[in-house]
Amino acid sequence: SQQGEEDPQALSIQEGENATMNCSYKTSINNLQWYRQNSGRGLVHLILIRSNEREKHSGRLRVTLDTSKKSSSLLITASRAADTASYFCATGGNAGGTSYGKLTFGQGTILTVHP
Amino acid sequence: DSGVTQTPKHLITATGQRVTLRCSPRSGDLSVYWYQQSLDQGLQFLIHYYNGEERAKGNILERFSAQQFPDLHSELNLSSLELGDSALYFCASSVATSTDTQYFGPGTRLTVL
Repeated sequence: SQQGEEDPQALSIQEGENATMNCSYKTSINNLQWYRQNSGRGLVHLILIRSNEREKHSGRLRVTLDTSKKSSSLLITASRAADTASYFCATGGNAGGTSYGKLTFGQGTILTVHP
Repeated sequence: DSGVTQTPKHLITATGQRVTLRCSPRSGDLSVYWYQQSLDQGLQFLIHYYNGEERAKGNILERFSAQQFPDLHSELNLSSLELGDSALYFCASSVATSTDTQYFGPGTRLTVL
């Protein structure tokens, strides 16, 4: 079953613009991770944010987490054509919970960046 | 390159057959996870092993089984294959627990004809 719902399902922008993707989840979490997947290839880990963190940065990526709203967002600034990919959020559960020991993925956002 | 390796990259087989997918985790990682990605179900967790012991199970079919060996590599066995088993199968590894970052391998694309 899918824990997360991602919004939008697809996003099309021009190079240089910012891209924002949102993820909502249902149960309490230990952490939330964002991944990128290029056209049916492997998943590349982008960033992990823990439940006691509110914001994290990595290069052009900015992730926020609002545990009260059970939501997260991924912002890619100054996008490039090479950022074209599917982006997934995945939640990790707490020890002792039913979600511990696995990542539960959303359906993903397909990002297309036009040169 | 995540450091997680999977073999084979592609596998084409017939219904009713049995296949084995292999995964080597990153050096030093004790946990191995298996996921299935299909068009209709998305990315689904199958099973988690930590240092040779099964730790968590997802919606893994009874026809599927896995194990983690003393050298920490893992194998996923799929038997009595059906058309619906066609999917991408990913292995991931993490240092210890599932609260750590999980690094994914390139996947094995299974096609059942």
